[in-house]
Amino acid sequence: EAEVAQSPRYKITEKSQAVAFWCDPISGHATLYWYRQILGQGPELLVQFQDESVVDDSQLPKDRFSAERLKGVDSTLKIQPAELGDSAMYLCASSLARYSSYNEQFFGPGTRLTVL
Amino acid sequence: AQSVSQHNHHVILSEAASLELGCNYSYGGTVNLFWYVQYPGQHLQLLLKYFSGDPLVKGIKGFEAEFIKSKFSFNLRKPSVQWSDTAEYFCAVRGSQGNLIFGKGTKLSVKP
Repeated sequence: EAEVAQSPRYKITEKSQAVAFWCDPISGHATLYWYRQILGQGPELLVQFQDESVVDDSQLPKDRFSAERLKGVDSTLKIQPAELGDSAMYLCASSLARYSSYNEQFFGPGTRLTVL
Repeated sequence: AQSVSQHNHHVILSEAASLELGCNYSYGGTVNLFWYVQYPGQHLQLLLKYFSGDPLVKGIKGFEAEFIKSKFSFNLRKPSVQWSDTAEYFCAVRGSQGNLIFGKGTKLSVKP
């Protein structure tokens, strides 16, 4: 069964360092999402791509976070510099299309970031 | 902005007990609603979804949810829980861009 791949699974870094997370969506999925899940909370959208274009990055802290999906396939989320409050699970999800009955989003295993 | 409220933070049940987890959403127009489950150490996965039609939606593993528009609710139910249902359950509504807006989640612990 096709799955969303994410790496690394765990990342420990010191504040002010740079970190990067990678996501490979299910083949053929046009829409890719990055969510952040703080402990005890539900996931919250950071950025959404349709193919290689950003659809929504209104909740992305752009002073330190960046995201790209250059060829419309895999994606990278970067934080520079990391802050203590960035400690969370970073989830990637993909879906076949944005609006349709195929709008089930498939989630990857996530990257757990700890900032010391 | 749309939002989702889940009333129970942690629910503890014995096996064979019935389950109902509350979910309320804020938006009054056409909504698409979802329940996702996260088993310990596993990915978030879809339990069931409501787009239109029959307000009683059946999902995987014996779960069902009822969409009550007048109450802005989409509660999750299961008549008899098993130890293997121990997980965290998230209610979500589809946002305007197709993204999901999640509630804070309800942790379910089932005692064998």
